[in-house]
Amino acid sequence: KQEVTQIPAALSVPEGENLVLNCSFTDSAIYNLQWFRQDPGKGLTSLLLIQSSQREQTSGRLNASLDKSSGRSTLYIAASQPGDSATYLCAVDGTYKYIFGTGTRLKVLA
Amino acid sequence: NAGVTQTPKFQVLKTGQSMTLQCAQDMNHNSMYWYRQDPGMGLRLIYYSASEGTTDKGEVPNGYNVSRLNKREFSLRLESAAPSQTSVYFCASSSVSAGELFFGEGSRLTVL
Repeated sequence: KQEVTQIPAALSVPEGENLVLNCSFTDSAIYNLQWFRQDPGKGLTSLLLIQSSQREQTSGRLNASLDKSSGRSTLYIAASQPGDSATYLCAVDGTYKYIFGTGTRLKVLA
Repeated sequence: NAGVTQTPKFQVLKTGQSMTLQCAQDMNHNSMYWYRQDPGMGLRLIYYSASEGTTDKGEVPNGYNVSRLNKREFSLRLESAAPSQTSVYFCASSSVSAGELFFGEGSRLTVL
């Protein structure tokens, strides 16, 4: 059974720092991995999708990498801003369905 | 584009009552999903529909039924609500089963 773990569970950093969020999964037989952002009381917004044949994806200040063999993905946020404060979730897709981690709650202090 | 639309956004039920959560997507996606989100548990898959005409159980299907009414609509029914079903419910869709997921804004359900 696929299990997805995100560490740390919570993170507080000063504005301007570069930071890394981690996601690990137990079964490397995945098709895709997706990173999401969730603001309090809101739905999930897709940030980046990495297909199994890819090693990384970039969007603006965000960069996500995928290492299937080690069962890990990282989300790199450059020059963090208070507006980046949210919960970040990763999800891996095996067969027809995505399994989610419990998320990293990020707070960027002004 | 509206994307994924869920109704209602909020609902309070008494134990034993029934209700249906509605979900519709306008992106011509083949696959649709229902998740529930609980504090400390993350998102857990209730049911999914890989394509029109098919539905399958996810991780936590007990107490729920679904209907893929057509390509656009996927409903979730609680036949006899229980306090343990108090949660936030999210509908999602993707173009293919392994494609990018798009979420609705959620439906907050409280069962007293």
